Amino acid sequence: DSGVTQTPKHLITATGQRVTLRCSPRSGDLSVYWYQQSLDQGLQFLIQYYNGEERAKGNILERFSAQQFPDLHSELNLSSLELGDSALYFCASSVALTTGASSGNTIYFGEGSWLTVV
Amino acid sequence: GNSVTQMEGPVTLSEEAFLTINCTYTATGYPSLFWYVQYPGEGLQLLLKATKADDKGSNKGFEATYRKETTSFHLEKGSVQVSDSAVYFCALLSSGSARQLTFGSGTQLTVLP
Repeated sequence: DSGVTQTPKHLITATGQRVTLRCSPRSGDLSVYWYQQSLDQGLQFLIQYYNGEERAKGNILERFSAQQFPDLHSELNLSSLELGDSALYFCASSVALTTGASSGNTIYFGEGSWLTVV
Repeated sequence: GNSVTQMEGPVTLSEEAFLTINCTYTATGYPSLFWYVQYPGEGLQLLLKATKADDKGSNKGFEATYRKETTSFHLEKGSVQVSDSAVYFCALLSSGSARQLTFGSGTQLTVLP
């Protein structure tokens, strides 16, 4: 158990709908990351938050948005869903935003939320 | 930008065989390197890591050495078990102000009894 909690574990929804995925980071972790794992794209970094602020953006679509709340949990909102959005969405967390080269901050992953768009 | 190249799978081995999964990377600065494992139907688990050149990460009989001169981080295990069947991902964590993991494409390992 990594300590990162994601809900729901599985979700089936129709095209055009909107869903929210929730993530609770490990206790004490300030940084939260979202990743998408799909068959054709592999593991893609979506977005990173640190202590409530957005810090880095990856291949995140404009239909997707995220936020990190004062209690450090995060939500990923996916709207106007398309069939191609079907994927496993991972949340991950780490203690700090930056560390020195030798400290090797580790990122821990949750078990993921399986989204199926039909 | 940063990138990770992993050996193509799938890899099928017999129990007790020697395993090598190759991983090379391209990065600026001094990244940290990781191997993650994904068992069937589960999430990503950290397997091992190395934070600087010549570091060796090890866990559960798996080992990988951070080779800066060859920009490699190959995963090895001397004797695989059926329970090692999973997808293995090599990843690097960039240094700098916005740290994010860049993953390789993953290598599917199947170990037969």
